[in-house]
Amino acid sequence: AQSVSQHNHHVILSEAASLELGCNYSYGGTVNLFWYVQYPGQHLQLLLKYFSGDPLVKGIKGFEAEFIKSKFSFNLRKPSVQWSDTAEYFCAVFTYFGTGTSLTVIP
Amino acid sequence: GAGVSQSPSNKVTEKGKDVELRCDPISGHTALYWYRQSLGQGLEFLIYFQGNSAPDKSGLPSDRFSAERTGGSVSTLTIQRTQQEDSAVYLCASSRNSPLHFGNGTRLTVT
Repeated sequence: AQSVSQHNHHVILSEAASLELGCNYSYGGTVNLFWYVQYPGQHLQLLLKYFSGDPLVKGIKGFEAEFIKSKFSFNLRKPSVQWSDTAEYFCAVFTYFGTGTSLTVIP
Repeated sequence: GAGVSQSPSNKVTEKGKDVELRCDPISGHTALYWYRQSLGQGLEFLIYFQGNSAPDKSGLPSDRFSAERTGGSVSTLTIQRTQQEDSAVYLCASSRNSPLHFGNGTRLTVT
């Protein structure tokens, strides 16, 4: 069965710092990969997705993620975070979700 | 357009009572999922409906949990004889292909 690991459970950053959230999965075949975000008081929504093609995908609000097949990873990055990025971030392989990473950005 | 609608948004119930949670998916979405979100536990898959196929019930934690989807649209998740450990946010999501579109969830508190 597929499993998704997010090793960072809580991340605290100052505004303008760079962000990288780790995501590893266990599945040997072709994968559909997603990052979802849940802002405080809001529902989960799609941040970005990878199905095939360029392994560097760009999503909304300046986020990007890189699919590295050899490492079974799909890490999320943003060069300069903002206070409004404070949220819970979930990595998913197909419909299997990681435990989430809580990001707090300090103004 | 309209998103995934879940009701009620909050439900407080006494231990041992039955509860029903409702999900209205986005029109035209053939796939419907139920997840449970507990503090620090991420999203736990419960059940998956795809069109007229038999549902994937592999994530249901016990036989107290059941779900149905009538007419390929609205779904109801039923928890019988609720226990305190059932307290969580129950999320419904629908999709046509990918990705998932989530509702706001039902926060269930069992006292």
